[in-house]
Amino acid sequence: DARVTQTPRHKVTEMGQEVTMRCQPILGHNTVFWYRQTMMQGLELLAYFRNRAPLDDSGMPKDRFSAEMPDATLATLKIQPSEPRDSAVYFCASGLVATGPYNEQFFGPGTRLTVL
Amino acid sequence: AQKITQTQPGMFVQEKEAVTLDCTYDTSDPSYGLFWYKQPSSGEMIFLIYQGSYDQQNATEGRYSLNFQKARKSANLVISASQLGDSAMYFCAMKVGGNNRLAFGKGNQVVVIP
Repeated sequence: DARVTQTPRHKVTEMGQEVTMRCQPILGHNTVFWYRQTMMQGLELLAYFRNRAPLDDSGMPKDRFSAEMPDATLATLKIQPSEPRDSAVYFCASGLVATGPYNEQFFGPGTRLTVL
Repeated sequence: AQKITQTQPGMFVQEKEAVTLDCTYDTSDPSYGLFWYKQPSSGEMIFLIYQGSYDQQNATEGRYSLNFQKARKSANLVISASQLGDSAMYFCAMKVGGNNRLAFGKGNQVVVIP
């Protein structure tokens, strides 16, 4: 049963600390998405990779957030320095490139981040 | 830019009854896809059903069906014979053309009561 995995599942940290979240997409998937979910904003797309190349990170605060895919089996989202307003659930999703409108994305379980 | 609107307040549904969740969308692209995801209290996002803009028939997946009204730009999710496990947030999302991004609505909260 292929699944997207994310680590850690929960993270509590203090303001100013670096946070790294990891995602292992489903083997064979060539698109990876990072989303942030908060009560106020709902689900927001932070970054999108296709074949490991970043295609869109316009939703990501550039001064403190960075997203990378060092290889096809690992995507990372880093926040440095973290702030209380970064507290949210961060989802990773993977899928296959679709030229048509069908584009099912498979979501990981999320990382619940709390910044004190 | 595409936009998804889900404005219903939280809903209480009696077990075994049907429930309809509203979703309206806005896009000028003739080629698009509409998705519904379920998010239970455990937090994971579960794909439920898909409707393509060129599909002639409404999509169905088990107890889930999509009431697709293209002229009205609505894609309402119908859950038949509600079960306690259907209690969750439900998100409508849209993908436009070759753009692989999904735009999500704010979600509808459903609570199924025995």
